[in-house]
Amino acid sequence: GAVVSQHPSWVICKSGTSVKIECRSLDFQATTMFWYRQFPKQSLMLMATSNEGSKATYEQGVEKDKFLINHASLTLSTLTVTSAHPEDSSFYICSARVASGSTYNEQFFGPGTRLTVL
Amino acid sequence: GQNIDQPTEMTATEGAIVQINCTYQTSGFNGLFWYQQHAGEAPTFLSYNVLDGLEEKGRFSSFLSRSKGYSYLLLKELQMKDSASYLCAVYMFSGGYNKLIFGAGTRLAVHP
Repeated sequence: GAVVSQHPSWVICKSGTSVKIECRSLDFQATTMFWYRQFPKQSLMLMATSNEGSKATYEQGVEKDKFLINHASLTLSTLTVTSAHPEDSSFYICSARVASGSTYNEQFFGPGTRLTVL
Repeated sequence: GQNIDQPTEMTATEGAIVQINCTYQTSGFNGLFWYQQHAGEAPTFLSYNVLDGLEEKGRFSSFLSRSKGYSYLLLKELQMKDSASYLCAVYMFSGGYNKLIFGAGTRLAVHP
C-alpha cells in the first residue's frame, strides 16, 4: 500500500521556539494532505487541509498564523508550529490522499510526530 | 455541524466476538471508515463502507445504514493483539473539500 512518512518522529523544544514537521508521500502523489492533532486518550482532530500549490484550509479554532502549512510539491507538506508553548505538546499526524486512480477515498496516515514543548 | 458518537471503552474476552457501534450526523456524507490505533502509533485502515450493508474482511466486518446514520465494526475470534482504540471516521464534503472527521474512538481491552 501507499506509504507516508513523517520527520521527525519526536521532538522536544523550548517554549517560544518554532518546530517544523515534514510529511512525505513516498510512493505516490498526493494533491491533498491533512494535518491532525491528537491529545492523550483523545481522537484525531483535523487541523487543516493542505492542497498542493494553494493555501491551506484551516478548521475552525485553529490559528493559521501559529500553525503554518506549506504544500510545495505533490509529495511534501510541512507543518510549522511557531512560538510553541507547552499546550502545543501533542501527537501530530499527517495523512495523504492518492491523487488519482484510487477506488475509494482512502487516506494514508503517517507514523506521527510527538511534540513536547518544555 | 457534525457529530460522531461511539462508546468510550469496551472489554471482551479472548476468542469472543465484539461489536463496536458508531452513530453519526453529518452533511455531505461520502463514506465511513474504521481505523485501528495502538497507543502512540498512527491509525491503520480496517474498512470502508459507502453503500448500505455488510463488508466482511477476515475477522473484521463493518456494517453501514445510511438512513439510520449508523455503523458497526464486528471483531470475531478476538486476540490479545486486538486491544487498541477503534476509530469511526466519516468522509464528508464540507467547505469545498472532502475531509475525514473522526469520532472520539473506542478503547477495546481484550482479556484472557
